[in-house]
Amino acid sequence: DARVTQTPRHKVTEMGQEVTMRCQPILGHNTVFWYRQTMMQGLELLAYFRNRAPLDDSGMPKDRFSAEMPDATLATLKIQPSEPRDSAVYFCASGLVLRGGWSGGSGNTIYFGEGSWLTVV
Amino acid sequence: AQKITQTQPGMFVQEKEAVTLDCTYDTSDPSYGLFWYKQPSSGEMIFLIYQGSYDQQNATEGRYSLNFQKARKSANLVISASQLGDSAMYFCAMRGRNSGNTPLVFGKGTRLSVIA
Repeated sequence: DARVTQTPRHKVTEMGQEVTMRCQPILGHNTVFWYRQTMMQGLELLAYFRNRAPLDDSGMPKDRFSAEMPDATLATLKIQPSEPRDSAVYFCASGLVLRGGWSGGSGNTIYFGEGSWLTVV
Repeated sequence: AQKITQTQPGMFVQEKEAVTLDCTYDTSDPSYGLFWYKQPSSGEMIFLIYQGSYDQQNATEGRYSLNFQKARKSANLVISASQLGDSAMYFCAMRGRNSGNTPLVFGKGTRLSVIA
């Protein structure tokens, strides 16, 4: 059963510490997204990649956040230094985009991981 | 730019009854896809149903159906025969299809509570 895998599931860290979240997208998917969910803002897009290349990271605070895809099976989201306002659930999601746009039908669904619950104290 | 509006912060429904969760959208894309996700208290985001803007029929997946009214730009989710396990947050989302670089844009969500 293919799924998006995220680690860690839960993380409590002190302000100022570096936090790295990892994501393994579904095999064969060429598009990876990072979303952040908070009570106040809901689901916000932080960044996304197509074929490992960053397409848009305008939703990320550039001074402290960075996102990379070292290879097709791993995406990382790093926060350095972390702050209490970064406390949220971070979701990784993946999907398949064919040439010319998303594939037809429900095959263009974006599948989410279980999320990384981050608390910065 | 795309926008999703879910006007119902919370809904209650009696077990075994049907419930409709509202979703309206705005986009300038001629072709787009609409999605509903369920988020139970455990936190994961579960894909429920998809509707393409050029699909001739409303999408159905088991007890879920999507009431798609293109002219009104609405994509309401209908859950038939509600079960206690349906209690969760429900998110409507969309993305442009022809714009291969567009991610999902989400609404604020509706919290559904099913009452025994």
